[in-house]
Amino acid sequence: AQSVTQLDSQVPVFEEAPVELRCNYSSSVSVYLFWYVQYPNQGLQLLLKYLSGSTLVKGINGFEAEFNKSQTSFHLRKPSVHISDTAEYFCAVLSMDSSYKLIFGSGTRLLVRP
Amino acid sequence: NAGVTQTPKFQVLKTGQSMTLQCAQDMNHEYMSWYRQDPGMGLRLIHYSVGAGITDQGEVPNGYNVSRSTTEDFPLRLLSAAPSQTSVYFCASSRQGPKNTEAFFGQGTRLTVV
Repeated sequence: AQSVTQLDSQVPVFEEAPVELRCNYSSSVSVYLFWYVQYPNQGLQLLLKYLSGSTLVKGINGFEAEFNKSQTSFHLRKPSVHISDTAEYFCAVLSMDSSYKLIFGSGTRLLVRP
Repeated sequence: NAGVTQTPKFQVLKTGQSMTLQCAQDMNHEYMSWYRQDPGMGLRLIHYSVGAGITDQGEVPNGYNVSRSTTEDFPLRLLSAAPSQTSVYFCASSRQGPKNTEAFFGQGTRLTVV
């Protein structure tokens, strides 16, 4: 079975500061990794995904994430955040032996202050 | 092109009542799924379908039924609503499984069972 842990339920940060949202996963098989963003009162939108290849993945809106297999982590980063980045961010995993069960973490609320 | 459409957006049920949450997509996607979102728990997979006539259980299927008679529609049925089913429900679709293509989410249905 797979599981995803997002240790920070809320991350407050000032505008234009850098931010890192942490994600750790557990799985007995290889996985694919995703970050989704949910703006208030909306559905989820794919931010970026890691399937294979380079461990540094770039996504939309200036976000990037790095896959670290030895630490089973997939942390999300942005060098300079904007007020509009305020949203909830979800890390998710998909095991390579079960291509349809996308497992989500509990989410991290990013609160960007002026 | 409407994407993924969920109806209703809000619903209040009494314990024991039944209802169907509707989900429709106009992108000819094969894969569709239902999630529930609860505070502090992220999204949990209820049921999913890999094509018309094919459905399977996710992490939390108890109390919910689904069917997939057409590619476009994937309704979620609550046969006898319970307060524990108070949640926000999201429907998602993708061309194939979430590994291959981006999953598109509906706007959600906020269900309260009293």
